[in-house]
Amino acid sequence: SQTIHQWPATLVQPVGSPLSLECTVEGTSNPNLYWYRQAAGRGLQLLFYSVGIGQISSEVPQNLSASRPQDRQFILSSKKLLLSDSGFYLCAWSVRRGGEQYFGPGTRLTVT
Amino acid sequence: AQKVTQAQTEISVVEKEDVTLDCVYETRDTTYYLFWYKQPPSGELVFLIRRNSFDEQNEISGRYSWNFQKSTSSFNFTITASQVVDSAVYFCALQSPYGGSQGNLIFGKGTKLSVKP
Repeated sequence: SQTIHQWPATLVQPVGSPLSLECTVEGTSNPNLYWYRQAAGRGLQLLFYSVGIGQISSEVPQNLSASRPQDRQFILSSKKLLLSDSGFYLCAWSVRRGGEQYFGPGTRLTVT
Repeated sequence: AQKVTQAQTEISVVEKEDVTLDCVYETRDTTYYLFWYKQPPSGELVFLIRRNSFDEQNEISGRYSWNFQKSTSSFNFTITASQVVDSAVYFCALQSPYGGSQGNLIFGKGTKLSVKP
């Protein structure tokens, strides 16, 4: 069966520090991968998606970036965090476009 | 433009009551999918159901049922005989695999359901 992992589970970082969140999927090949952010009391916002290694599409311009160095690994990064980057970050995967997406446990990021 | 509206921000019920969560969507695409996800306090989103635009049959899964009506662009979710474990935020989502959103999920803002014992 397929599993999706995210780490770390929680993170407290000062403004201006770098960020690296990791997501890995097990039990499937060539998944579509997604990064979402959920700010406090708000819905989910798609940040990035990837249909293959090295293929990243950005939905929202911001100071975040994403990379997919391996088939089942998706990384969310920032060179300098802003206060507004605080939120709950969720990684998801799907077999194909149009298929249901399965979410990881999330990373709660607080920028201080 | 594509949009999902969940007008109910919060709902509170007493255990064993039935509760319906409303979802209204907007899309110009003829082929699309509708989803419901549950987000318990732990935070992880749990997939509940996926429905395509050509299948308006209602679906029942245990205490859960879904009513899809294209005429009113609604995809409502009913929990029968609610339980405390149903307490969560529920999200409705829209996906148009061939449309402008490029197959990505468009989420509503969610409805927080509290079931009290």
